[in-house]
Amino acid sequence: GAVVSQHPSRVICKSGTSVKIECRSLDFQATTMFWYRQFPKQSLMLMATSNEGSKATYEQGVEKDKFLINHASLTLSTLTVTSAHPEDSSFYICSARGQADNEQFFGPGTRLTVL
Amino acid sequence: GQNIDQPTEMTATEGAIVQINCTYQTSGFNGLFWYQQHAGEAPTFLSYNVLDGLEEKGRFSSFLSRSKGYSYLLLKELQMKDSASYLCAVMDSNYQLIWGAGTKLIIKP
Repeated sequence: GAVVSQHPSRVICKSGTSVKIECRSLDFQATTMFWYRQFPKQSLMLMATSNEGSKATYEQGVEKDKFLINHASLTLSTLTVTSAHPEDSSFYICSARGQADNEQFFGPGTRLTVL
Repeated sequence: GQNIDQPTEMTATEGAIVQINCTYQTSGFNGLFWYQQHAGEAPTFLSYNVLDGLEEKGRFSSFLSRSKGYSYLLLKELQMKDSASYLCAVMDSNYQLIWGAGTKLIIKP
């Protein structure tokens, strides 16, 4: 089956620093990847849709200058949280669209803690 | 607006059966998904329904009625490891997933 990896799985950083999270589709090419954020006891919230070779589409309320998304290849998308604050502490999950539009495969998630 | 409703929490007994309901109102419909999510982990795919009816997969079954905007996930022979959150998600006309808030299922011995 299709596998999506994320790195790192956990990261702790100081307030004001930037953190980069990688999302890779390991055995398939993903023209579209999605970035989600999940706060404790809440459902997934879509942050942005990332298309290979073009600018990401951000959901309302998500600051594009704070959450930088780069989808430089068909197997890699990155999310950079810039100038992180404690309120950015969350579980960040990426997913990749498969060959069919109704397929979506999730990465294992990245737990970000900002001190 | 788009809306997915499912109960916040349910409790069931090991070995029993539990049904988790999901109702939805979305702009377009390209299928309904059920995911299982254990605490601290990403969601894992359970089922996909795009046509009306029941899809059975081992101990888990999922039902869809598009005319009623309704689905349920049925879990049989419950095991302690089934304690998790169960997320209902609908794929809208833009092929984006609209997520419910999830149902936390607690299994008691």
